[in-house]
Amino acid sequence: GNSVTQMEGPVTLSEEAFLTINCTYTATGYPSLFWYVQYPGEGLQLLLKATKADDKGSNKGFEATYRKETTSFHLEKGSVQVSDSAVYFCALLRPNFGNEKLTFGTGTRLTIIP
Amino acid sequence: DVKVTQSSRYLVKRTGEKVFLECVQDMDHENMFWYRQDPGLGLRLIYFSYDVKMKEKGDIPEGYSVSREKKERFSLILESASTNQTSMYLCASTPGGGGRAWPQHFGDGTRLSIL
Repeated sequence: GNSVTQMEGPVTLSEEAFLTINCTYTATGYPSLFWYVQYPGEGLQLLLKATKADDKGSNKGFEATYRKETTSFHLEKGSVQVSDSAVYFCALLRPNFGNEKLTFGTGTRLTIIP
Repeated sequence: DVKVTQSSRYLVKRTGEKVFLECVQDMDHENMFWYRQDPGLGLRLIYFSYDVKMKEKGDIPEGYSVSREKKERFSLILESASTNQTSMYLCASTPGGGGRAWPQHFGDGTRLSIL
């Protein structure tokens, strides 16, 4: 079945540090891949997405590239800010009209210290 | 903007009680979902619905039921609450027919504690 494996947290970084959160997946066919972010006290928000191999999703300075050869979708940001402190979820969607499901990773809690 | 509203942010109930969690969306979305979120386990799908009065089991339906009498409202019911149902519950909705699972719009969650 489909699954997503995410880097375990928590991750603590200093402001302006480089961020990588690893995500690998297992799926048949050609899934779409997503990163969601959950700020304290809120629900999940879509951060970025990629729908096919070699696509790069980007938003708010975050980037992730869909690598089919390594089945990965690692999240990166060049210089993190305190406001990036949140929980990050990697997810995949295997299109199957009438029976779609988003499969989430376990989440990675990120804390940025000033 | 799509608004998904969950009726309670925090809820405390006792073991054995029947518990209702309510979710309302204001964008006429066909599909609605209930997840629970637990540390180290991520989000797990409990139930979803792709039309009024329709429901489908997700990955962990045991101990739960749902009701969708109106298109905008999707209720999660804990028939007899137990302590292992203490969790954060998230509701989501998507447009389009046929149970489309993306793009999902989430509510802010209900943190439920069963004592």
